[in-house]
Amino acid sequence: GQSLEQPSEVTAVEGAIVQINCTYQTSGFYGLSWYQQHDGGAPTFLSYNGLDGLEETGRFSSFLSRSDSYGYLLLQELQMKDSASYFCAVRDGTSGTYKYIFGTGTRLKVLA
Amino acid sequence: NAGVTQTPKFQVLKTGQSMTLQCAQDMNHEYMSWYRQDPGMGLRLIHYSVGAGITDQGEVPNGYNVSRSTTEDFPLRLLSAAPSQTSVYFCASSDYLNYEQYFGPGTRLTVT
Repeated sequence: GQSLEQPSEVTAVEGAIVQINCTYQTSGFYGLSWYQQHDGGAPTFLSYNGLDGLEETGRFSSFLSRSDSYGYLLLQELQMKDSASYFCAVRDGTSGTYKYIFGTGTRLKVLA
Repeated sequence: NAGVTQTPKFQVLKTGQSMTLQCAQDMNHEYMSWYRQDPGMGLRLIHYSVGAGITDQGEVPNGYNVSRSTTEDFPLRLLSAAPSQTSVYFCASSDYLNYEQYFGPGTRLTVT
């Protein structure tokens, strides 16, 4: 079956760097995505990795290692507004399907 | 450009009642999906569609029906509401092969 594992909670201070890990198990692989969700809000797309390596978008970077079935989201220069839940997601690799599987999310708390 | 819209924002149902959650997008996206999110859990896929007239089941389809008669609309029907269907429901859309999903604001449903 498909599954993704993330830590349930991470705490860091303003200005610091934090890494949120995601390990996945899928029957096929079409890349790893990351979403941010503030309390009471809708998920918003942050990044996508289809190939191994690092993708950078401003203060956020995402990394993928397909051989290790592992990826992470790196948040730099943390700000209070980064306090949110972060989800990794993969697309089910079974031929002919387009099902997305989400991890259970990592709640990030940024302390002043 | 409104993006993805959902109605209603909040709904309370009694056990056994039926209702339809509405979802519409104005981005001409082929792919649309419905998720439910329960406390402490990630997003779980209920049903999805890759185009008008084409739908398929996700991870948790029981108790829900969908249809896709137009590109823009993707309603979710609860046939006979149960307390276990108390959740927040999100609709999302994306280009067919684009991994960035756009989410609606969500519908908070309580079944008593």
